[in-house]
Amino acid sequence: GENVEQHPSTLSVQEGDSAVIKCTYSDSASNYFPWYKQELGKRPQLIIDIRSNVGEKKDQRIAVTLNKTAKHFSLHITETQPEDSAVYFCAAIFSGGYNKLIFGAGTRLAVHP
Amino acid sequence: DSGVTQTPKHLITATGQRVTLRCSPRSGDLSVYWYQQSLDQGLQFLIQYYNGEERAKGNILERFSAQQFPDLHSELNLSSLELGDSALYFCASRTGEGQGTQYFGPGTRLTVL
Repeated sequence: GENVEQHPSTLSVQEGDSAVIKCTYSDSASNYFPWYKQELGKRPQLIIDIRSNVGEKKDQRIAVTLNKTAKHFSLHITETQPEDSAVYFCAAIFSGGYNKLIFGAGTRLAVHP
Repeated sequence: DSGVTQTPKHLITATGQRVTLRCSPRSGDLSVYWYQQSLDQGLQFLIQYYNGEERAKGNILERFSAQQFPDLHSELNLSSLELGDSALYFCASRTGEGQGTQYFGPGTRLTVL
């Protein structure tokens, strides 16, 4: 079935440390994987995405890696700051669904000063 | 600001009632997606429209329906409301149907008393 599993559900780090969030997906035909950041009561905002023809993508302190064989992708945040505290969602497009995004359950990241 | 607008921002109503949520996509976007986010939950895909036609359905209840009008705005109708329907309802839009970024609106917070 259509499923995206995300771990961990909560993550607490000290400012300056790195944070890693991992997701696995079930549809081997998926080829687009966005990550969204959602602050409390606000809209999800795209922070980075990756397509299946690349294995890694970076944008300043944020990077995403993709392992299509293992159906696994990860978000890496380096030099974390308190403003990185939010809920992060991974997602994958499912091939049968006209760009239907299936989201992971979310990771609540807390960055402590 | 993503360019996607949603009204109303907040809605409080009673069980058994019917409400309509409205979404205006970004200028030029033909696809509209609706998502439900219950308290401390992930984003559940409800339904997608492209240029006025329904394209994909998620776990949308029979009490819920949606449509996309010729001017491309969309409405989500929720009827026979139950307490468990209380949630944030987001719409998102993108230009085409293929795989790519969805831009989220600010959401409508529905409270059913």
